[in-house]
Amino acid sequence: SAVISQKPSRDICQRGTSLTIQCQVDSQVTMMFWYRQQPGQSLTLIATANQGSEATYESGFVIDKFPISRPNLTFSTLTVSNMSPEDSSIYLCSVEDLSPEFVSYGYTFGSGTRLTVV
Amino acid sequence: GQNIDQPTEMTATEGAIVQINCTYQTSGFNGLFWYQQHAGEAPTFLSYNVLDGLEEKGRFSSFLSRSKGYSYLLLKELQMKDSASYLCAVRSNDYKLSFGAGTTVTVRA
Repeated sequence: SAVISQKPSRDICQRGTSLTIQCQVDSQVTMMFWYRQQPGQSLTLIATANQGSEATYESGFVIDKFPISRPNLTFSTLTVSNMSPEDSSIYLCSVEDLSPEFVSYGYTFGSGTRLTVV
Repeated sequence: GQNIDQPTEMTATEGAIVQINCTYQTSGFNGLFWYQQHAGEAPTFLSYNVLDGLEEKGRFSSFLSRSKGYSYLLLKELQMKDSASYLCAVRSNDYKLSFGAGTTVTVRA
């Protein structure tokens, strides 16, 4: 399965500032997904990042707040902008593991970024 | 959109069997996944069903009925390390995953 390196693993940030989270995958993937997991809750999809096109955002998430870059097929960043305490959460990136015949072996997640906004 | 329901909590004894049910209502079904998540860690993939029936992988099995919008994850021979949150996730035709709220399983000695 794919191996994802996600940085930083955690950070404590002042309100009003921005944090950029990076994910590096050890193989080329078409789509990368960004999720948020608020304390005690399940995962919510923020956006899908495709190389060479604008990211697609889910309802309730906007590009101005969560700009995403996808410069190549192995790398993506998510920025959490103008942070408030409500943004305190775990942020995870994910890719799908596919066989050459496009059979799914599930989705692999990065180790997560635990963000605390004070 | 997706509507995915699973129980909040389940408790079982070491060595026993637990079945976690998941029901879903979705537009554009393209597979159902089960994930295990220990506290403070990322989810790890357990199983994938796209056709009706049972998929068995060691102590874990997963079942899917697409006509009923129903799946379950069966955990056999429970071990203490199986205490975790179990997430049911439905994939839509655009390859996006929607997750249920998760079921916290506590295994008691």
